[in-house]
Amino acid sequence: AQSVAQPEDQVNVAEGNPLTVKCTYSVSGNPYLFWYVQYPNRGLQFLLKYITGDNLVKGSYGFEAEFNKSQTSFHLKKPSALVSDSALYFCAVRDINYGQNFVFGPGTRLSVLP
Amino acid sequence: DTGVSQNPRHKITKRGQNVTFRCDPISEHNRLYWYRQTLGQGPEFLTYFQNEAQLEKSRLLSDRFSAERPKGSFSTLEIQRTEQGDSAMYLCASSLSYQGYNEQFFGPGTRLTVL
Repeated sequence: AQSVAQPEDQVNVAEGNPLTVKCTYSVSGNPYLFWYVQYPNRGLQFLLKYITGDNLVKGSYGFEAEFNKSQTSFHLKKPSALVSDSALYFCAVRDINYGQNFVFGPGTRLSVLP
Repeated sequence: DTGVSQNPRHKITKRGQNVTFRCDPISEHNRLYWYRQTLGQGPEFLTYFQNEAQLEKSRLLSDRFSAERPKGSFSTLEIQRTEQGDSAMYLCASSLSYQGYNEQFFGPGTRLTVL
């Protein structure tokens, strides 16, 4: 079975500092990995995905994520945080051996302090 | 706005009543998904359609839940005899099916409160 863990419920970072939101996954086959962001009263917005190829993927709003197969991780990063990045972030995985659905992590609340 | 839309945005009902939610996906997307999200949790998969065919259902989808996508366009999710435990945000998403790894685009959700 597939699963996703986001070990931190909350991440606080000062504006202008780099940020990292952690994600680890478990699948039996090759993973497809995704990051989504959720703002209050809005739907989930796609940020980026890893399918194959380069382990460092770049996405929307200056975010990037690094796929690490040996550590089964897919951490989200941004070099310089903005106050407007404050939101709920979800990591998701799809195991191609287990159908079409995504399995989401529990979410990490990011607070960027001015 | 050409994104995924859901109606209603909020629904308050009494225990035992039936409710129906509607989702309109992005027009060219042939896959449509339903998820449930409770406070402090990530979305949990309920079911998905490819065109009008319902191809996968989660064990979370009890007999009181039924979903349809009759013409391969919009979809409805009905919950019969609602229970307080059904209170949650119900999310709809759509995607293209090309090679199966396209990202899903989510609607704003329907928040259900069962009193």
